[in-house]
Amino acid sequence: KAGVTQTPRYLIKTRGQQVTLSCSPISGHRSVSWYQQTPGQGLQFLFEYFSETQRNKGNFPGRFSGRQFSNSRSEMNVSTLELGDSALYLCASSYYTNSYEQYFGPGTRLTVT
Amino acid sequence: DAKTTQPTSMDCAEGRAANLPCNHSTISGNEYVYWYRQIHSQGPQYIIHGLKNNETNEMASLIITEDRKSSTLILPHATLRDTAVYYCIVRDTNAGKSTFGDGTTLTVKP
Repeated sequence: KAGVTQTPRYLIKTRGQQVTLSCSPISGHRSVSWYQQTPGQGLQFLFEYFSETQRNKGNFPGRFSGRQFSNSRSEMNVSTLELGDSALYLCASSYYTNSYEQYFGPGTRLTVT
Repeated sequence: DAKTTQPTSMDCAEGRAANLPCNHSTISGNEYVYWYRQIHSQGPQYIIHGLKNNETNEMASLIITEDRKSSTLILPHATLRDTAVYYCIVRDTNAGKSTFGDGTTLTVKP
């Protein structure tokens, strides 16, 4: 069974721009969670989608948004990028919502200059 | 949700068992203990989870104390590839998602 895939793997953007990251979960998994990882803050939860609905949300500003499609694929969008948004963005999938038996993708490394 | 406490770092000799402790003294009855690890520059990898009984899979064993206030992840024969940050998380499946803690950096030495 294929694992979680994330595209693109690396991205360089300029401050003020917006970015969209994509995540394809493991086949059969209906929950997709997004995390931001930085050296200073560690692995922080952004939000979770299950059956196309946002089920949980972390403590991030409204510039961070996401959505999930009927095939469970998910995208997250960051608008008006700031230098502090430079991070590794990780997507994880699981069968059920709120499940911590999650399987992570390799991440998208976003650099904001 | 219950808070976990893990040592910042640990060393282990290659081929020996690595025992990683986690304290979760405020755990409630319906909270599970989950373990993950993250090898440098990769996404975290799910290892194992349990509620109150000891668990074993192909990667590791999880020992949970009878009072459930602490647990130990055991890698029976550590290899250099087990060098990683290990995260212990305690969560109720109805409580929603949250941030991972700081974890334990395990260094396996030859």
